[in-house]
Amino acid sequence: EDQVTQSPEALRLQEGESSSLNCSYTVSGLRGLFWYRQDPGKGPEFLFTLYSAGEEKEKERLKATLTKKESFLHITAPKPEDSATYLCAVQAGNTDKLIFGTGTRLQVFP
Amino acid sequence: KAGVTQTPRYLIKTRGQQVTLSCSPISGHRSVSWYQQTPGQGLQFLFEYFSETQRNKGNFPGRFSGRQFSNSRSEMNVSTLELGDSALYLCASSRLGTGPYEQYFGPGTRLTVT
Repeated sequence: EDQVTQSPEALRLQEGESSSLNCSYTVSGLRGLFWYRQDPGKGPEFLFTLYSAGEEKEKERLKATLTKKESFLHITAPKPEDSATYLCAVQAGNTDKLIFGTGTRLQVFP
Repeated sequence: KAGVTQTPRYLIKTRGQQVTLSCSPISGHRSVSWYQQTPGQGLQFLFEYFSETQRNKGNFPGRFSGRQFSNSRSEMNVSTLELGDSALYLCASSRLGTGPYEQYFGPGTRLTVT
């Protein structure tokens, strides 16, 4: 069965303290891996798509990487406005549905 | 470019009633997917529509149904509501129905069943 696991469940960082979020997946025929950010009471906001192992994408303080078994979301020198839940999702096989992990709740303190 | 819109944003219903939620995708997007988000289960796929046809369906009971119109707008319906149906219902649209295209989400409809 296709599965996505995110760790840690929650992460508290001091402003400027860099860290990484992990997304490990077990799927048949990965077509794409997606990172989203979700603020309380809002829908997920698209961040990155990664298609193949070795690929990297960057946006401001965020950098996403992909291997054959997992993806990392690196946050460099985070700010309080980076506080949110970060969701990882995969598309696999012949379906467009997204299979989501349970997310990492990030809190950045000034 | 306008994003995905969902109406209503909030809804309170009683057990046994039915509800219809609406979703308007981003202009030019023809694929619409629906997800249920709860604190315990996270985001779970309900179904996907492309060109008015249901292409995929998640593991939800038949009380959950949907449809898509010729202008790509979509509705989902939940009949005989149960307390466990309380959730944030999210609609997402993508450019095409094939390939790993990213899905863009609307703000969701918060459904509370009492």
